[in-house]
Amino acid sequence: AQSVTQPDIHITVSEGASLELRCNYSYGATPYLFWYVQSPGQGLQLLLKYFSGDTLVQGIKGFEAEFKRSQSSFNLRKPSVHWSDAAEYFCAVGPFTGGGNKLTFGTGTQLKVEL
Amino acid sequence: NAGVTQTPKFQVLKTGQSMTLQCAQDMNHEYMSWYRQDPGMGLRLIHYSVGAGITDQGEVPNGYNVSRSTTEDFPLRLLSAAPSQTSVYFCASSPGTGMNIQYFGAGTRLSVL
Repeated sequence: AQSVTQPDIHITVSEGASLELRCNYSYGATPYLFWYVQSPGQGLQLLLKYFSGDTLVQGIKGFEAEFKRSQSSFNLRKPSVHWSDAAEYFCAVGPFTGGGNKLTFGTGTQLKVEL
Repeated sequence: NAGVTQTPKFQVLKTGQSMTLQCAQDMNHEYMSWYRQDPGMGLRLIHYSVGAGITDQGEVPNGYNVSRSTTEDFPLRLLSAAPSQTSVYFCASSPGTGMNIQYFGAGTRLSVL
């Protein structure tokens, strides 16, 4: 069965500092990979996705993520964090073949930004 | 463009009561799904539908029923609410049954006393 691990429950960074959120997945083949962001009281918004091709993907709000097959990782990065980036971030994996659109989510990383 | 609309936003129930969480999308999406979000557990799939008249169970289906009579609507029914169903519920939709981006509603926060 597929699974997603986000090892950091909470992360605090200073505004302007760089950010990296970790995501590791377990899956028998190449999966579809996603990062979603959830602001307080809101639904989930897609930041970026990886389906195939270039392993470095760009998303909205200045975020990027790199797929590393050898490490089964899909870490999210941002060079300079803004106070408005404070939110909860979820990594998710979907099956490459079959399984429809069923996503498996990680437990989330809560990001706090200090001014 | 409304996207995915969930109602109500908040609900308090007593143990044993029944209710229906509503989900509607105006994007003509084939795929719709329900997740519950609990602290420290991320989102878990309850039920999903690949089209009108077709539904299937996800990871945590017990205590919930769904039906899909139209493309637009995908209600989630709690027949006899239990405190363990206190959670935030999200509905999502996507264009097809392949791996597509899912669009989420704003959620329904449910408390069962």
